[in-house]
Amino acid sequence: GQNIDQPTEMTATEGAIVQINCTYQTSGFNGLFWYQQHAGEAPTFLSYNVLDGLEEKGRFSSFLSRSKGYSYLLLKELQMKDSASYLCAVRIHSGNTPLVFGKGTRLSVIA
Amino acid sequence: EPEVTQTPSHQVTQMGQEVILRCVPISNHLYFYWYRQILGQKVEFLVSFYNNEISEKSEIFDDQFSVERPDGSNFTLKIRSTKLEDSAMYFCASRLLNYGYTFGSGTRLTVV
Repeated sequence: GQNIDQPTEMTATEGAIVQINCTYQTSGFNGLFWYQQHAGEAPTFLSYNVLDGLEEKGRFSSFLSRSKGYSYLLLKELQMKDSASYLCAVRIHSGNTPLVFGKGTRLSVIA
Repeated sequence: EPEVTQTPSHQVTQMGQEVILRCVPISNHLYFYWYRQILGQKVEFLVSFYNNEISEKSEIFDDQFSVERPDGSNFTLKIRSTKLEDSAMYFCASRLLNYGYTFGSGTRLTVV
């Protein structure tokens, strides 16, 4: 089976930095995605890593280590609107293959 | 920015009734998916669709489910005889090649 683990909940302070970790054990690997999901809304795409290393996009960065089956999402200069669930998802194979999602990490940003 | 559009946003149906959930994927996207998310749980894959046929389906996607792309723009999910446990948010997604999967805003299905 496919196993994707991330912490259930995290709390961080406005203006701070938070790192959300994700570990995966899957039957294949063809890329890791991070999505943001506000309650009752659709997941929205944040980042995609297929090679090892750090991808930076504004306040958000994502890191991948394929040998360790590990990724993290780094959020800087936290804002209240960043309060949401952050979903780690793995694409197992190439071609028309679906994403397999973790359970998501609910981030609460407090003043 | 192009969007995946889903209708209706909320549907209430009686147990045993058939429902059709509709999606209009982004026009130049090639791959289409249905996912569901039961309240408080993770997003689960149901089915993928490419070139007018099902590519892959999960064990959730049993005989009560079917998908169609009837006219080159709409992509529908039919649930033939709904059960209480089908109550969930259903998301349609589409993608082009290796880019991010774009999700629609979802249909909240409530079976009573």
